[in-house]
Amino acid sequence: AQKITQTQPGMFVQEKEAVTLDCTYDTSDQSYGLFWYKQPSSGEMIFLIYQGSYDEQNATEGRYSLNFQKARKSANLVISASQLGDSAMYFCAIQSGGTSYGKLTFGQGTILTVHP
Amino acid sequence: EAGVTQSPTHLIKTRGQQATLRCSPISGHTSVYWYQQALGLGLQFLLWYDEGEERNRGNFPPRFSGRQFPNYSSELNVNALELEDSALYLCASSLFGRQIPDTQYFGPGTRLTVL
Repeated sequence: AQKITQTQPGMFVQEKEAVTLDCTYDTSDQSYGLFWYKQPSSGEMIFLIYQGSYDEQNATEGRYSLNFQKARKSANLVISASQLGDSAMYFCAIQSGGTSYGKLTFGQGTILTVHP
Repeated sequence: EAGVTQSPTHLIKTRGQQATLRCSPISGHTSVYWYQQALGLGLQFLLWYDEGEERNRGNFPPRFSGRQFPNYSSELNVNALELEDSALYLCASSLFGRQIPDTQYFGPGTRLTVL
């Protein structure tokens, strides 16, 4: 079984500042992937960034970076230089094999609000 | 390049009826996934189709079913609708499917309301 925990129901950040959204995971599989998605109020899930369990370097995609600490089973999302358009729900998800083969298991999400 | 498309955008049904939701994957993607996002329950995995076959299924009753067509588009059917089936249904597609991990790209969703 796999599990994602996001402990921050809501976060606030000032425009142009950086923010870290927390994510911890649990899986017994050796090969897995960790994903972050953004869901604006429109409902569509937008893929942001991905980290493979065997990747040694932390993933980066533009203003998004993933702080992957395998021993601590954490995969925090860092958004630099926040913009008003970053206000949305953010989900962390894990994908591995076994009985969970193929599916994404999501956390409960964190609502991010960016203040001007 | 077109993303994942879903139809209809909104669907209103009454209890006991059947609902059919449709999804077209990104061109070249062979795997399609269905998720349910109900209020208070988060995102729950429903079904995964790859190369026309059902590969995995979430913890949902048999009245949730689907299929994948030869062009890789997919259909989700929900029979004997219940009030708690009201939710946003999200479809996703991926390129490799049976490779783990594999990035899933989502469509805009179908909002199903059961009265």
